[in-house]
Amino acid sequence: DAGVTQSPTHLIKTRGQQVTLRCSPKSGHDTVSWYQQALGQGPQFIFQYYEEEERQRGNFPDRFSGHQFPNYSSELNVNALLLGDSALYLCASSSSSGGRYLTQYFGPGTRLTVL
Amino acid sequence: AQSVAQPEDQVNVAEGNPLTVKCTYSVSGNPYLFWYVQYPNRGLQFLLKYITGDNLVKGSYGFEAEFNKSQTSFHLKKPSALVSDSALYFCAVRDNSRGGYQKVTFGTGTKLQVIP
Repeated sequence: DAGVTQSPTHLIKTRGQQVTLRCSPKSGHDTVSWYQQALGQGPQFIFQYYEEEERQRGNFPDRFSGHQFPNYSSELNVNALLLGDSALYLCASSSSSGGRYLTQYFGPGTRLTVL
Repeated sequence: AQSVAQPEDQVNVAEGNPLTVKCTYSVSGNPYLFWYVQYPNRGLQFLLKYITGDNLVKGSYGFEAEFNKSQTSFHLKKPSALVSDSALYFCAVRDNSRGGYQKVTFGTGTKLQVIP
């Protein structure tokens, strides 16, 4: 049973560019959340997707957008990259059914460097 | 708003000794509490959670955590530390009053260093 997978592992972009990060949830999970983890910090909630809709959003600008596909996989898009967007981007999946839906399982992350 | 505080940036403990990593939280409703561990250049691994019931929660790799409602704390513990436990530990909280929405707030992390 594959866990949460993310691609790419590492990414280097320059200021002003756009980036797309991808996430495949754990088998049986239908909810995907995205987090940004800056160096030396805890993960910060960006947004959550369920049934192909953004269900909740953290304190991030509109430059951050996402999408969820019918197979529950998800993309995170960041436009007009800033140096401060350099971070580890984590995807977490969970199930909306049953008692275990409360636990989020994380992928290995995508390390984004903006030059 | 919900928040988590991990007052120690780093905890050092000798191998074989008991360890405690502290966490306090703030939520408006009843909390769901989690501990995750992160190894270098890796994602977060789930250790344990408190939802309801027994205040002492047992998790993976011999870790346990004690929920204390009056002190709004959820400290992570292990009776005997291993060198391989050295990692970054995150406490997280979710306010269950938000129903199915699963926004989780993380603390800033505590680096655990187990000394051989």
